[in-house]
Amino acid sequence: DIVMTQSPESLAVSLGERATINCKSSQSVLHSSNNNNYLGWYQQKPGQPPKLLIYWASNRESGVPDRFSGSGSGTDFTLTISSLQAEDVAVYYCHQYYSTPYTFGQGTKLEIK
Amino acid sequence: EVQLVESGGGLVQPGGSLRLSCAASGFTFSSYIMHWVRQAPGKGLVWVSRINSDGSATSYADSVKGRFTISRDNARNTLNLQMNSLTPEDTAVYYCVRDRDGFNFWGQGTLVTVSS
Repeated sequence: DIVMTQSPESLAVSLGERATINCKSSQSVLHSSNNNNYLGWYQQKPGQPPKLLIYWASNRESGVPDRFSGSGSGTDFTLTISSLQAEDVAVYYCHQYYSTPYTFGQGTKLEIK
Repeated sequence: EVQLVESGGGLVQPGGSLRLSCAASGFTFSSYIMHWVRQAPGKGLVWVSRINSDGSATSYADSVKGRFTISRDNARNTLNLQMNSLTPEDTAVYYCVRDRDGFNFWGQGTLVTVSS
């Protein structure tokens, strides 16, 4: 199984400041056939289902504000929120869909400082 | 508007069974791979099962293999999860999820509680 490890587990950032969440996979999720990283990022607010923010490691889902961006390749990935807004308070998960069993990181809780 | 509406959750005793359903609308259901993902109270996300678009191929997490069965009815735009031999560790919100370049749409979930 591919183990996804996120850091930090929790993060407090001031409004308007940058937030960075890291994700490391235990093996590469880069598929050589199409050069895609099978890595997604999700946002989950209390009482709501997760929402896809980023797919293929760096593609923003339709409707997601451009302050959210994803980067990385192979085994190391980053989600960046360029200017934190109050509505961004949530738990963020990375996810590999390269191979079954599909696995998620343990989550990073983002709060306002 | 894309919608996934789960139903069938509830309280069940250990060893019991439940059948979850997910009604899909607003998209061509038969064209999509679908998944079930669960989340225990206060915990993270755990993938449970996957079914391909025509229902001919399925896969399961080891923790549910042999106990859970995923199926779909493309004529009725419905995804199902038959859960047998339930244990307290199966207690969770179960989400129906559409797969397109990642898990791109999630239902609101249905709560399954396994307790005596």
